[in-house]
Amino acid sequence: KAGVTQTPRYLIKTRGQQVTLSCSPISGHRSVSWYQQTPGQGLQFLFEYFSETQRNKGNFPGRFSGRQFSNSRSEMNVSTLELGDSALYLCASSFRETQYFGPGTRLLVL
Amino acid sequence: EDQVTQSPEALRLQEGESSSLNCSYTVSGLRGLFWYRQDPGKGPEFLFTLYSAGEEKEKERLKATLTKKESFLHITAPKPEDSATYLCAVQARAAAGNKLTFGGGTRVLVKP
Repeated sequence: KAGVTQTPRYLIKTRGQQVTLSCSPISGHRSVSWYQQTPGQGLQFLFEYFSETQRNKGNFPGRFSGRQFSNSRSEMNVSTLELGDSALYLCASSFRETQYFGPGTRLLVL
Repeated sequence: EDQVTQSPEALRLQEGESSSLNCSYTVSGLRGLFWYRQDPGKGPEFLFTLYSAGEEKEKERLKATLTKKESFLHITAPKPEDSATYLCAVQARAAAGNKLTFGGGTRVLVKP
């Protein structure tokens, strides 16, 4: 079975721009979660989608948003980028409780 | 609020030198405790899920154990390819969905 895929793998943006990241889950997985990983804060939960509905949300500002499509693929969007948004953004999919992670999208905000 | 603390932050081992990593947690009802391995520039790779105190899981040179307050990841006779960051995470029974709360990780370096 193919694993979780994320596109793009690398992105460079400037402050004030917006960005959209994409995630394709493992076939048959209906839950998709997003995490932000930084050296200072570690891995932090952003939000989770299940059957196109947001099921849980972490403590991030409203600039961070996401959605899920009927084929379980998910996108997350960050608007009005700040320098502190530079991070590795990880997507994880799950069938039951165990989450399987993709390779991540490395975002650099200049 | 759920919390996970891992120690030590970093560990340098000689090949063959066994050691243990600690994961202390507080959670409002544990649904599962998860161990992942992460290599530089990659996403976390799933290793184990533990559900209740006393449970143990093994995979090659790795063995994970669980008590009511902490989990240990034992690395027996490590090899250089075991070098990675090991992450511990908890899932709360009360939380909606599969949200994971992660610890800061332990960076393990195994020298030949």
